[in-house]
Amino acid sequence: DVKVTQSSRYLVKRTGEKVFLECVQDMDHENMFWYRQDPGLGLRLIYFSYDVKMKEKGDIPEGYSVSREKKERFSLILESASTNQTSMYLCASSLTAGRGYTFGSGTRLTVV
Amino acid sequence: QKEVEQNSGPLSVPEGAIASLNCTYSDRGSQSFFWYRQYSGKSPELIMSIYSNGDKEDGRFTAQLNKASQYVSLLIRDSQPSDSATYLCAVVGPGTASKLTFGTGTRLQVTL
Repeated sequence: DVKVTQSSRYLVKRTGEKVFLECVQDMDHENMFWYRQDPGLGLRLIYFSYDVKMKEKGDIPEGYSVSREKKERFSLILESASTNQTSMYLCASSLTAGRGYTFGSGTRLTVV
Repeated sequence: QKEVEQNSGPLSVPEGAIASLNCTYSDRGSQSFFWYRQYSGKSPELIMSIYSNGDKEDGRFTAQLNKASQYVSLLIRDSQPSDSATYLCAVVGPGTASKLTFGTGTRLQVTL
């Protein structure tokens, strides 16, 4: 089974801090995604990547950036954390969308 | 109009009954369809995929697809309390070869 690992399950950060969320997958998948999930709003796509060093904006990229230096690792960066970025962050990977995504266990980020 | 629509629920069914979850999508050219189960505080887990019109059965789960009417449904037979979760419908649209669009989910409650 594909394993998608997110480095932290819970994080508490202060407003203005630079925050790094790490995601690693072990099945050589081309495609990786970052979502945030908030009550009533569902899953919202932040950024995605189809290949190393390639990135595309999703629906809500403002305040975020990403890095994909190696195929297995996709990092989400909050340049200056704000309280409205308090959320559950989910990383996913796929070989192709036709096979669906595999999600990591999620990082619940609280910005105080 | 949202691209993928689901009734948010909660849908309440007694233990042992059939739960029927529905999803409609807006893009007629959509290609692949998925159901994810998400327990509270956990990440989504892929439970069913369907690609062609008709029914697909896997254990107690049956996915149904009707492309002409642009809906996909999930039936859960012999519902158990452990089936209580939020069920997310996801669709691969045309021209988005690697990207899923998610509905906001239907919360299912199986009562004793």
